[in-house]
Amino acid sequence: NAGVMQNPRHLVRRRGQEARLRCSPMKGHSHVYWYRQLPEEGLKFMVYLQKENIIDESGMPKERFSAEFPKEGPSILRIQQVVRGDSAAYFCASSPDRGGTDTQYFGPGTRLTVL
Amino acid sequence: GQQLNQSPQSMFIQEGEDVSMNCTSSSIFNTWLWYKQDPGEGPVLLIALYKAGELTSNGRLTAQFGTTRKDSFLNISASIPSDVGIYFCARNSGYALNFGKGTSLLVTP
Repeated sequence: NAGVMQNPRHLVRRRGQEARLRCSPMKGHSHVYWYRQLPEEGLKFMVYLQKENIIDESGMPKERFSAEFPKEGPSILRIQQVVRGDSAAYFCASSPDRGGTDTQYFGPGTRLTVL
Repeated sequence: GQQLNQSPQSMFIQEGEDVSMNCTSSSIFNTWLWYKQDPGEGPVLLIALYKAGELTSNGRLTAQFGTTRKDSFLNISASIPSDVGIYFCARNSGYALNFGKGTSLLVTP
């Protein structure tokens, strides 16, 4: 009964490189949410996806950031041309239906460090 | 607006002590959620509150939904070292969860 899985757990990139973060939702969950957590801050919503569809990307920066949740395989959060300000912990959550309340289960996060 | 204000920002207590923290907002909410984040991990839901005045317990944890619907309290009784972590209040906002900045708890043996 695996929970939400994220990899890598830690990622180091130099400025200008690309970062790809992967999230496998819990079995039976078709809704994925991405959040970003800066040091000493709470989690901030970025994007909500269902299989093959972006439902709400209101919290995601317009440039350099993109997300997908293909029919097969994990959800991917992609950050192009990373800058130092992108350094943060990125969390994925999944839920079995649209809700946004206590049905979201979080993964362990990917900690991105940009040098 | 919809900002959640948590206090205190951090607490440093001895094992066995009781802990109390709260979360306030200028907006009325229909749901209050309390999460705990262990170091290096993602947040885990502790307690969910759905009704003004509701008091809910989960082991040594007790949370209350304020009667004004603008605040909530989380109490931890007889703290133990594994209570260390960051405690977040949150509310649902459409598809997303909106989190406070957290209360960091340190417990010494």
